[in-house]
Amino acid sequence: QVQLQESGPGLVKPSQTLSLTCSVSGGSISSGNYYWSWIRQHPGKGLEWIGYIYYSGSTYYNPSLKRRLTISLDTSKNEFSLELSFVTAADTAVYYCARDLNGYGYYFDPWGQGTPVTVSS
Amino acid sequence: EIVMTQSPATLSVSPGERATLSCRASQSVNTNLAWYQQKPGQAPRLLIYAASTRATGMPARFSGSGSGTEFTLTISSLQSEDFAVYYCQQYNNWPPTYTFGQGTKLEIK
Repeated sequence: QVQLQESGPGLVKPSQTLSLTCSVSGGSISSGNYYWSWIRQHPGKGLEWIGYIYYSGSTYYNPSLKRRLTISLDTSKNEFSLELSFVTAADTAVYYCARDLNGYGYYFDPWGQGTPVTVSS
Repeated sequence: EIVMTQSPATLSVSPGERATLSCRASQSVNTNLAWYQQKPGQAPRLLIYAASTRATGMPARFSGSGSGTEFTLTISSLQSEDFAVYYCQQYNNWPPTYTFGQGTKLEIK
């Protein structure tokens, strides 16, 4: 079955750009009409959807992050990525990548294990 | 933005008993609602989608109900592995938005 694995730096300085990658195994990222999302969880808090990229490359972002966010697809590597610019301490969180359940884009399954990111100088 | 409110924040239940968790939406989401289970240090896991459909492999003791703005997750007979945090999540078609409730922590009584 499809498995997702996040990777990226655990520590980012304020005002810099956070870059994360989600590697997908067990299936092709460019087939199946799926939506590929990033979701984050602030320490001890709930979950916040960040944005998605469709298998075709189209994207939709959380309006609260839109100005700082880019999500892209690399089909040759079977992975998708997140770039969040001008980070602050408020971006400290565990970042998860996830696929939608069945191609309709409604629900998230499966998820990656998550990668913690701290924004600090 | 649709706001999802879960209650209670913490629920203490004894093993073998029934647990009932609630989720309310600030406006109708029809049945575009999911429940997730999250254990410490793990990613959330999909339990229920479309308000009442169990995800693949989820035990039958988990059931979901509701539509519109009021939803319920019921765990019929709590097992030790069920003590976790549960989140509800809604999906809105356009613009596409996904919002989660703040979670209910289910703890052993």
